[in-house]
Amino acid sequence: DIQMTQSPSSLSASVGDRVTISCRASQSISTSLNWYQQKPGKAPKLLIYVASSLQSGVPSRFSGSGSGTDFTLAISSLQPEDFATYYCQQSYITPFTFGPGTKVDIK
Amino acid sequence: QVQLQESGPGLVKPSQTLSLTCTVSGGSISGTSYYWSWIRQPAGKGLEWIGRMYTTGSSNYNPSLNSRVTISVDTSKNHFSLKLRSVTAADTAVYYCATQQQLVFGNWGQGILVTVSS
Repeated sequence: DIQMTQSPSSLSASVGDRVTISCRASQSISTSLNWYQQKPGKAPKLLIYVASSLQSGVPSRFSGSGSGTDFTLAISSLQPEDFATYYCQQSYITPFTFGPGTKVDIK
Repeated sequence: QVQLQESGPGLVKPSQTLSLTCTVSGGSISGTSYYWSWIRQPAGKGLEWIGRMYTTGSSNYNPSLNSRVTISVDTSKNHFSLKLRSVTAADTAVYYCATQQQLVFGNWGQGILVTVSS
């Protein structure tokens, strides 16, 4: 199985801050990497697919980059509704695997 | 855009079979090019992919659960199902059904909590 790791596991930030979350795969996955946002008690929501493509309806302050084994999710100016947990997920090969998540909370 | 809704028992006894159904609305299972998928999340933990089935019947399962899990699609009822046999407390989780298209989980159900306990 491809193992996914994320850093940091949690971070505290203020509204308006730029935030970056890293995701690393245990082997090269090209750009087969997706990002999801999950709020408490809710299902995950797709933000970014194939590493850098913004899902329809997702604000442009979200962006993704990377290829191979190292990927980044960036939020250019954190908004109150962005406080949530973020997961990366590889779609390169089954079993599809998710990172452990990064919780973004209010400083 | 399809909508998904999980249903089934919220409590299952150890060693029994967990059975869940995901009802699809806003589209026909047989008329869409989705993989019909199940994902679970233990309380306070991360997401685990369980498996998926295509309308044609082809399927993939997580090897960690492979021997215990079956996913099936019922086009006549426009729903798909999950069966997980011989459950233990470690199978307690919120179970989500989801669509996967072009390798992306785009639509999710709201999730259903299943507790394994006697």
